[in-house]
Amino acid sequence: QKEVEQDPGPLSVPEGAIVSLNCTYSNSAFQYFMWYRQYSRKGPELLMYTYSSGNKEDGRFTAQVDKSSKYISLFIRDSQPSDSATYLCAMSALSDKVIFGPGTSLSVIP
Amino acid sequence: DADVTQTPRNRITKTGKRIMLECSQTKGHDRMYWYRQDPGLGLRLIYYSFDVKDINKGEISDGYSVSRQAQAKFSLSLESAIPNQTALYFCATSTRGGEQFFGPGTRLTVL
Repeated sequence: QKEVEQDPGPLSVPEGAIVSLNCTYSNSAFQYFMWYRQYSRKGPELLMYTYSSGNKEDGRFTAQVDKSSKYISLFIRDSQPSDSATYLCAMSALSDKVIFGPGTSLSVIP
Repeated sequence: DADVTQTPRNRITKTGKRIMLECSQTKGHDRMYWYRQDPGLGLRLIYYSFDVKDINKGEISDGYSVSRQAQAKFSLSLESAIPNQTALYFCATSTRGGEQFFGPGTRLTVL
């Protein structure tokens, strides 16, 4: 079993839809949880950063962490074509090495 | 100017050749990383360095070596390139506990 699992998609939604992206993990030592967005031919950039369990909201984006279920989610409200990208979940224990999921490819259709 | 730069951006080489990929950063971060990205496999850590005198192997270090020439510079070498090293390579930097900042990537093709 991989340490971090993520459905690779591709996921295609109409503009304005609510998007849900998810990852599961196996290492209970993970405490820091991140979502990165990667546009085609670009490096990943940090979108959301959370510590331990709970929710964090930033504009149209909400990150949720459920450590008891080893499950994290990213919700995108009112999705826009500019949200079309690959979304990578990532996590680390005690600020050590970061383990990335394989990424989910998202297309938002106008 | 970009905070994390990588050279070259694209490289095509032949099996058996020695290749060096270079990374420079102006963010002042101590920690630097090299990843490779393959379709369906995501980002996999090759080597990382927490300061100039600290070099550590990641999950897929075989066939690669690194050099941390200065706080701002971290190079990745393929001593004898092979076709399955064809991938997108990313350099990243971070502070302890902070987000990782990625360079634009180097697309390497080994024929």
